[in-house]
Amino acid sequence: DAGVIQSPRHEVTEMGQEVTLRCKPISGHNSLFWYRQTMMRGLELLIYFNNNVPIDDSGMPEDRFSAKMPNASFSTLKIQPSEPRDSAVYFCASSLGLAGDFDTQYFGPGTRLTVL
Amino acid sequence: AQSVTQLDSHVSVSEGTPVLLRCNYSSSYSPSLFWYVQHPNKGLQLLLKYTSAATLVKGINGFEAEFKKSETSFHLTKPSAHMSDAAEYFCVVSSFTGGGNKLTFGTGTQLKVEL
Repeated sequence: DAGVIQSPRHEVTEMGQEVTLRCKPISGHNSLFWYRQTMMRGLELLIYFNNNVPIDDSGMPEDRFSAKMPNASFSTLKIQPSEPRDSAVYFCASSLGLAGDFDTQYFGPGTRLTVL
Repeated sequence: AQSVTQLDSHVSVSEGTPVLLRCNYSSSYSPSLFWYVQHPNKGLQLLLKYTSAATLVKGINGFEAEFKKSETSFHLTKPSAHMSDAAEYFCVVSSFTGGGNKLTFGTGTQLKVEL
């Protein structure tokens, strides 16, 4: 089992540029979560999907952030335009959702984003 | 709403001595509780999970946690610390919303293990 896969692992970009983070959940998992981790705010849930449908996006900071899940094996988190305060580690996690051990989440290695 | 409070932001122990990381929870019903560990520059790894089947939960790497409803606590322990245990530990509670489950993370406890 490959676990949750995230790419890229590191991203350095300049303010104003578009950033796209990618996630492949564990095969068979029905729920996918995007988190942001910073020193100041800790771990924050940004958005989560059940069966590819966004359920709760109340944690998305503002309209510059968007997330999609076009199919069960792929999700993206996009920031456009990026700002220095978006610098953080972004984690993707997946769980079996309503199909089984519904609330145990398995985390990817994260993407460290630096916006200059 | 469900929440967790980690009582210590930093804990320092000597190698070979016991580890105690404290967590109190608040929940309107019997919660699912977790401990996750994050090593430097790594993702979060599940240590153990409580789901009301047994109050003493055994996890990986010799860690265990005891659910005490009367004290609303879910403290993490290990009899003998190892250098490789140095990491950040998160106490987590699960809550069910309209469309699924969300995890609420504590603020984390940084464990330092000294020789």
